[in-house]
Amino acid sequence: QSALTQPASVSGSPGQSITISCTGTSSDVGHYNYVSWYQQHPGKAPKLMIYDVTNRHSGVSNRFSGSKSGNTASLTISGLQAEDEADYYCSSYAISSTLLFGGGTKLTVL
Amino acid sequence: QLQLQESGPGLVKPSETLSLTCTASGDSISRTNNYWVWVRQSPGAGLEWIGSIYHTGSTYYNPSLKSRVTISVDASKNQFSLRLSSVSAADTAVYYCAKDWGGPPSWNFDYWGQGALVTVSS
Repeated sequence: QSALTQPASVSGSPGQSITISCTGTSSDVGHYNYVSWYQQHPGKAPKLMIYDVTNRHSGVSNRFSGSKSGNTASLTISGLQAEDEADYYCSSYAISSTLLFGGGTKLTVL
Repeated sequence: QLQLQESGPGLVKPSETLSLTCTASGDSISRTNNYWVWVRQSPGAGLEWIGSIYHTGSTYYNPSLKSRVTISVDASKNQFSLRLSSVSAADTAVYYCAKDWGGPPSWNFDYWGQGALVTVSS
């Protein structure tokens, strides 16, 4: 299986909202509600933000939300803050008991 | 509070076997109903799931690495390990161990180690 497709970069100004897409296929994103999103700051380990498409992990700000339509999942960050600047990765369970990650999206807060 | 720590050689020669161990503290690998995971990240690149193991030894492997990967668990030491054989420069990466909060796997990783850089070079 191939990695999930994410935009290489997105940007937004403080207070704005941004959306990061994660496109897969009918064998992964489109078939299962096991899409997760991770935030990774430089030199740090990834941090779980969203699980099972729409659920916020414990302690995650309600400015972060997830959704899915067809083969594409999305992460929306509202009220953008400087601390949100990081890399974001999606993941999805895929057929044959495997896990795929997206290539990652670099979020820049202008 | 669970903590995970990777350990192992930082330099491996091409064609040899990469070996890493993840030591858990703050909780017992065998007591919790969780899978334990290895993920890697090549320099400047994205994340790649390597495989997952339960304390009973049940495993799931990434099909693209399955022929070269062995993940094992030593509950008595509260550790789980990764072995990747026949390595090449393409296996140079930061290797993370992590905890999947589910058993069966939830495919959600809520605790991570700090990561261990392994370079494959002669």
